[in-house]
Amino acid sequence: DSGVTQTPKHLITATGQRVTLRCSPRSGDLSVYWYQQSLDQGLQFLIQYYNGEERAKGNILERFSAQQFPDLHSELNLSSLELGDSALYFCASSASATSGRSYNDQFFGPGTRLTVL
Amino acid sequence: AQSVAQPEDQVNVAEGNPLTVKCTYSVSGNPYLFWYVQYPNRGLQFLLKYITGDNLVKGSYGFEAEFNKSQTSFHLKKPSALVSDSALYFCAVRDGFGQGSSNTGKLIFGQGTTLQVKP
Repeated sequence: DSGVTQTPKHLITATGQRVTLRCSPRSGDLSVYWYQQSLDQGLQFLIQYYNGEERAKGNILERFSAQQFPDLHSELNLSSLELGDSALYFCASSASATSGRSYNDQFFGPGTRLTVL
Repeated sequence: AQSVAQPEDQVNVAEGNPLTVKCTYSVSGNPYLFWYVQYPNRGLQFLLKYITGDNLVKGSYGFEAEFNKSQTSFHLKKPSALVSDSALYFCAVRDGFGQGSSNTGKLIFGQGTTLQVKP
């Protein structure tokens, strides 16, 4: 168990809908990363938050957005869903440089499998 | 730009034999390299990393990896494979260093290699 939790585990929805994926990082971790795993694109970085602020953006569509809340949990919002958005969405967290733990290590949650019908 | 490549989609090995899963990298500066494993319907589990120091890195479940700067490789190895090692393996490189505002720390993954260990 990595200590990173994600809900829900599975999500089935229709095209055009909007969903929210939730992630709770390991206790004390300030960085949260979102990744998408799909058959055609592999594992891709979407976005990173650090202590509530957006730190970096990857190949994230404009229909997707994220935020990190004061309690450090994060949500990934996916809207106007298309069939191609079906994928496994992972959240990962890492420690801060001042925590005394290695900030190079990212610990992954179990993922949310999104199916768009 | 940082990148990693896993040249084999699948590796097949008999139980008890040594295994190698290949990874090559392309980075500017010193690489921070990782191996993760993904079991069916599970998340990614951290196996090991190379940051600096000894070229042979030991990790979880008896896995090790050899960093070779001249060949820009970071191959994953295990002396004796188990059927339970069958899974999807990802090599990754960390983008940027530290927690400075210009560095992201995101991981860039290879395409993954399916390891099949047969009894």
